[in-house]
Amino acid sequence: DTAVSQTPKYLVTQMGNDKSIKCEQNLGHDTMYWYKQDSKKFLKIMFSYNNKELIINETVPNRFSPKSPDKAHLNLHINSLELGDSAVYFCASSQEVAFRFGNTIYFGEGSWLTVV
Amino acid sequence: KQEVTQIPAALSVPEGENLVLNCSFTDSAIYNLQWFRQDPGKGLTSLLLIQSSQREQTSGRLNASLDKSSGRSTLYIAASQPGDSATYLCAVGVTSGSRLTFGEGTQLTVNP
Repeated sequence: DTAVSQTPKYLVTQMGNDKSIKCEQNLGHDTMYWYKQDSKKFLKIMFSYNNKELIINETVPNRFSPKSPDKAHLNLHINSLELGDSAVYFCASSQEVAFRFGNTIYFGEGSWLTVV
Repeated sequence: KQEVTQIPAALSVPEGENLVLNCSFTDSAIYNLQWFRQDPGKGLTSLLLIQSSQREQTSGRLNASLDKSSGRSTLYIAASQPGDSATYLCAVGVTSGSRLTFGEGTQLTVNP
């Protein structure tokens, strides 16, 4: 059973298109995240949701819009894709209070987005 | 703003060697520090998590230490094996929101 699953794993699309990446966790966690890993392998947080509410929104273009229909799902929608959006996007989840006291964050296997 | 640095960026060692990966962070106000492993084309696997009140954690051939006051952590891998080849990422859990701030990773290659 996959704890954090995201789809699609690979996505190749043209500039200007709109695309979505879906994420689901079956761990019962209350906090979900989107991280971006760029070509230099540097991982940086984009968004964090706690119980469907946005709690972290880093300096991310407003073409990126996360949506959390329930606390087990956090989808990432990207409008007007640009070449620089090519990266690996990782979804993750944790139990927020437990995170502060030592529980880890669980990551999905990533979604490789290539914009051509 | 928290910054995490990992040294070296890449490391190649012969099988059987003991090795140390280094991580430093600029702000000591952390909940915890974690070491992750990332294999090519895969997600992140948590290896060790050290609470801010702890000084080290061990799991098998891995030992991670934390010196919060100096902003440093090390990951010690004993008797390295080719299967240890991967990118190792250090991340600190910061107190402002439940988030991890990552270093850029050390790419380890263990040669048979």
